Amino acid sequence: DSGVTQTPKHLITATGQRVTLRCSPRSGDLSVYWYQQSLDQGLQFLIQYYNGEERAKGNILERFSAQQFPDLHSELNLSSLELGDSALYFCASSVGPGPNTDTQYFGPGTRLTVL
Amino acid sequence: KNEVEQSPQNLTAQEGEFITINCSYSVGISALHWLQQHPGGGIVSLFMLSSGKKKHGRLIATINIQEKHSSLHITASHPRDSAVYICAVRFWQGAQKLVFGQGTRLTINP
Repeated sequence: DSGVTQTPKHLITATGQRVTLRCSPRSGDLSVYWYQQSLDQGLQFLIQYYNGEERAKGNILERFSAQQFPDLHSELNLSSLELGDSALYFCASSVGPGPNTDTQYFGPGTRLTVL
Repeated sequence: KNEVEQSPQNLTAQEGEFITINCSYSVGISALHWLQQHPGGGIVSLFMLSSGKKKHGRLIATINIQEKHSSLHITASHPRDSAVYICAVRFWQGAQKLVFGQGTRLTINP
């Protein structure tokens, strides 16, 4: 158990819908990272927050947005869903602000299926 | 272009064999991570390296900065080592993010 929690574990929805994925980091970690893992693309970095502020941005679509709240939990919002958005979405957390010196601890993931 | 290549893509071995998984990257990096993804999907961080060598139990990770290459070794492999092993790097240039290799699927047969 990494100490990072993600809800829900599974999500099945229809095209065009909007969903929210939630992540709670390990106690004491200030950074939250969001990743997407699809069968054809592998793991891809979406976005990182550090202590409430956006720190780095990756291949995140404009239909997707995220935020980190004062209690440090984070939410990833996916809207106007398409079939291609079906993937595993992982959240990870670390103590510091970047991937240079910090080990990242991964949550169990949310499996999103868009029908 | 910032790229990460892993080899082999798939590896099947017998219990007890010495395993090597390789990771090469295109340009200079500030950090390299090795991750393990279990068959159920969960991801565990195994090592983070910027130079030299690290060891944890039967796992050893090495990095050669000049050759832009890292290896993950597993000694006395066991069926429970069966998983996908993923290399990820933070390039010096570009956004502060990890770029992932495509993963190596390891199967250890009893």
